[in-house]
Amino acid sequence: GESVGLHLPTLSVQEGDNSIINCAYSNSASDYFIWYKQESGKGPQFIIDIRSNMDKRQGQRVTVLLNKTVKHLSLQIAATQPGDSAVYFCAEIHTGRRALTFGSGTRLQVQP
Amino acid sequence: GAGVSQSPSNKVTEKGKDVELRCDPISGHTALYWYRQSLGQGLEFLIYFQGNSAPDKSGLPSDRFSAERTGGSVSTLTIQRTQQEDSAVYLCASSLKPYNEQFFGPGTRLTVL
Repeated sequence: GESVGLHLPTLSVQEGDNSIINCAYSNSASDYFIWYKQESGKGPQFIIDIRSNMDKRQGQRVTVLLNKTVKHLSLQIAATQPGDSAVYFCAEIHTGRRALTFGSGTRLQVQP
Repeated sequence: GAGVSQSPSNKVTEKGKDVELRCDPISGHTALYWYRQSLGQGLEFLIYFQGNSAPDKSGLPSDRFSAERTGGSVSTLTIQRTQQEDSAVYLCASSLKPYNEQFFGPGTRLTVL
């Protein structure tokens, strides 16, 4: 079946370093991708999204890269801060569905 | 403005009892979603409402699960004859329209003893 998965379950970085979180998806029909951040005890919080007609999108300190050829998505966080510590999920929607399919998540730990 | 709200925040019930979980979406959002998140796992889609269209129930794990959305706003997720494997955080999200950013509520943590 289709799946959206993550390469690394836990990522530990030093404060001030850049973080890269990776995600693979299997459905070539996926046309909308989102990264969510989830802190303990809270619902997922939107970070950034990208549509399949784009390769890159930048936000404030975050960049999402999409490689449709290899079905790979990444989230780059610049100058990682302690407040960035959370679990990060990639999610996708494909034509014919309206609900998101989520990956299993990567925990980002920022060391001071 | 107010975000998505859910109630109760926590629910402890005994196996075999029925439970109702409530979601108040953001005003004006036409799309409403229910997801389930088991401990340390990603989110699992349950059901989706869009306007007056028939809901997409393809994610409901069994016929013990049902949901309604009254007046295109508030939604209730009902789990009948709860089982221990139903223990999870149930998250509701809404979006202005399909393929838009989904805003999540804080979730209801359900524990079935």
